[in-house]
Amino acid sequence: EVRLVQSGGGVGRPGGSLRLSCVVSGLKFEDHDMSWVRQGPGKGLEWVSYINWNGRIRSYADSVKGRFTISRDNAKKSLFLQMNSLRAEDTAVYYCAREGGYNYGYVSWGQGALVTVSS
Amino acid sequence: SYVLTQPPSLSVAPGRTATISCGGDNIGGKSVHWYQHKPSQAPVLVIYHDFRRPSGIPERFSASNSGNTATLTISGAEAGDEADYYCQAWDSSSDHGVFGGGTKLTVL
Repeated sequence: EVRLVQSGGGVGRPGGSLRLSCVVSGLKFEDHDMSWVRQGPGKGLEWVSYINWNGRIRSYADSVKGRFTISRDNAKKSLFLQMNSLRAEDTAVYYCAREGGYNYGYVSWGQGALVTVSS
Repeated sequence: SYVLTQPPSLSVAPGRTATISCGGDNIGGKSVHWYQHKPSQAPVLVIYHDFRRPSGIPERFSASNSGNTATLTISGAEAGDEADYYCQAWDSSSDHGVFGGGTKLTVL
């Protein structure tokens, strides 16, 4: 069974930092590209960031570029999202998502982690 | 930036067919995926690459993609199908993922 287990999140101050983690089990992690997706309160799903299988290709939504950093440790089967310079509008449930391959979509998701940015 | 447009809400009677549209400039030239999202749960992929169903997704779920519109069809709607549905594609010009705004499906 493929599992994506998230940790991190919580309450962060405006201008502060938080780090999200996602540990993947049940498959060969290094074979898969990964992404982060979030859902703000009362809002729809929003793509946040992408990283390819070896970590050499990364992309970010304009809303987080320059503030968030996606990374991965294939040896530890882990995906990370370092969130700096937090803003109130970053408040959301964050999901890690595994891509099934080229044109396969996000086939597996983490359980979600709530990030609240508040003073 | 690339935009995907969905109707905010849709109501369907049990047993009837629900059709959810997703509009985008030449979306037929992209690979479109559909997700079902229920409250307090992680999203679930119900259609990938325009019309393909992952294992475990009922045949009641089907989809198409052509021109400027992709469409998700749920035949014989059931109470358990009540959820938010999102279309999603990759914008290769900006290297960004894109989600539609979501459609809240009510079965009543």
